[in-house]
Amino acid sequence: EAQVTQNPRYLITVTGKKLTVTCSQNMNHEYMSWYRQDPGLGLRQIYYSMNVEVTDKGDVPEGYKVSRKEKRNFPLILESPSPNQTSLYFCASSFDGSGSYEQYFGPGTRLTVT
Amino acid sequence: SQQGEEDPQALSIQEGENATMNCSYKTSINNLQWYRQNSGRGLVHLILIRSNEREKHSGRLRVTLDTSKKSSSLLITASRAADTASYFCATEPGRGTYKYIFGTGTRLKVLA
Repeated sequence: EAQVTQNPRYLITVTGKKLTVTCSQNMNHEYMSWYRQDPGLGLRQIYYSMNVEVTDKGDVPEGYKVSRKEKRNFPLILESPSPNQTSLYFCASSFDGSGSYEQYFGPGTRLTVT
Repeated sequence: SQQGEEDPQALSIQEGENATMNCSYKTSINNLQWYRQNSGRGLVHLILIRSNEREKHSGRLRVTLDTSKKSSSLLITASRAADTASYFCATEPGRGTYKYIFGTGTRLKVLA
């Protein structure tokens, strides 16, 4: 089954404790992206990757890191989480980043930073 | 921020009625996509319309695009309770930018 998986689905952590949210897709997609969703603000793009070892900043990259060492995986790293990073996070992938193809979204990771 | 905007923010209708939601964006676009999100879940792609298209249909969905007004509308005909969800438009602001701008969403509630 074609899918995007994220782990963990729920995470409660404390300020400053490094964490990683994993994302994996099994569709051989070139393009992967991370979004955060906050009430009233819709989805905002954090980082995206056009292919292995190629990443770039989205609209709200501050406080986040990513890496793309393999085509299927695109982890999101919070080196020193803060309460303003409490949000619902989505990973997505697409055939390419041209906008001509739909994005497939993961189920989401609800992160709470206290 | 280049956040797109959707209108209305919330919409409540009776089953069988039509639902129309609008999306406005700020820059020239390559394509515009509409997505649906059921409460707190991942988004699901509904339909894509290219910048050189004015209207597109898919089942009970009809999308229009007016690039001169930088706006799009999504019409759901003969709505069902299962259509209850949030709907988002997404644009790529220019060819080859690889970035996506999502609207703030319309929450649709269809009453049985």
